[in-house]
Amino acid sequence: DIVMTQSPDSLAVSLGERATINCRSSQSLLYTSNLKRYLAWYQQKPGQPPKLLIYWAYTRESGVPDRFSGSGSETDFTLTISSLQAEDVAVYYCQQYYSIPPTFGQGTKVEIK
Amino acid sequence: QVQLQESGPGLVKPSETLSLTCTVSGGSISANYWSWIRQPPGKRLEWIGYIHFSGSTNYNPSLKSRVTISVDTSRNQFSLKMTSVTAADTAVYYCVRGRGSADSWGQGTLVTVSS
Repeated sequence: DIVMTQSPDSLAVSLGERATINCRSSQSLLYTSNLKRYLAWYQQKPGQPPKLLIYWAYTRESGVPDRFSGSGSETDFTLTISSLQAEDVAVYYCQQYYSIPPTFGQGTKVEIK
Repeated sequence: QVQLQESGPGLVKPSETLSLTCTVSGGSISANYWSWIRQPPGKRLEWIGYIHFSGSTNYNPSLKSRVTISVDTSRNQFSLKMTSVTAADTAVYYCVRGRGSADSWGQGTLVTVSS
C-alpha cells in the first residue's frame, strides 16, 4: 500500500494568515501517460463527513472557495489556505487514488491562534 | 444534487456479520462508481471497496476475504457485508460516490462491535 504522511499533525494560525499543510506519498502519484497526479484533499469538521476540496492535486471542487489551493509534484504535495477564516477550522486529509487500495493521510488539525 | 444515506444496525456482536445499505437519492446509481469508507475512532480513514453499477467490484486486499459489496439498481441502493467482525471493525462507516476521489458522502453511521 502507498503510505501517506502529513505534516504537521496540527497547526494554529491567526485569522487572515496563511495555513500550509504538507503531504508526502511513499511513491510517485504522477501517472506519466496522462500527466495527472492522483491526489485529493478533504476537509472534515466535527460531526460531519469529509468534504472533497481538491482532486488531481490542483483542481478545486465546485463551490470550494478560491483561498484553498493545491500544489505538488510526484511525491510531495501541499494544501494552502491563503487567508484563514473561522469556518476553516477542521481536520484536513490527503488521499492517494493512484493505486488500490486508495489510502489517506493521518490528518492535520487546523485551529485559530 | 446527489445525497447518500447509510442504514443498518449500530451494534453487531463479535464473529457476526455487519450489514449496511446506502440509499442514493437525487441521482441515478447507474452512472457512477460507489464506495464504502470507514473511520475507526481516532484513526485515519480506510477505504473498504467500490462497486460499479454493472456489478464489478474492487476491494481493499486487507479486507477482501471478509467483504462483499453489491448493488440494487432498481432500488438505487448499494450494500456492504462484512463477515466475522471483531472490535477492530468498530468505526463510522461512510458510503460515497466515486472510486478515487469521493465527491459526495453520506453522513456516516457508527457501527460498534461488542457483545
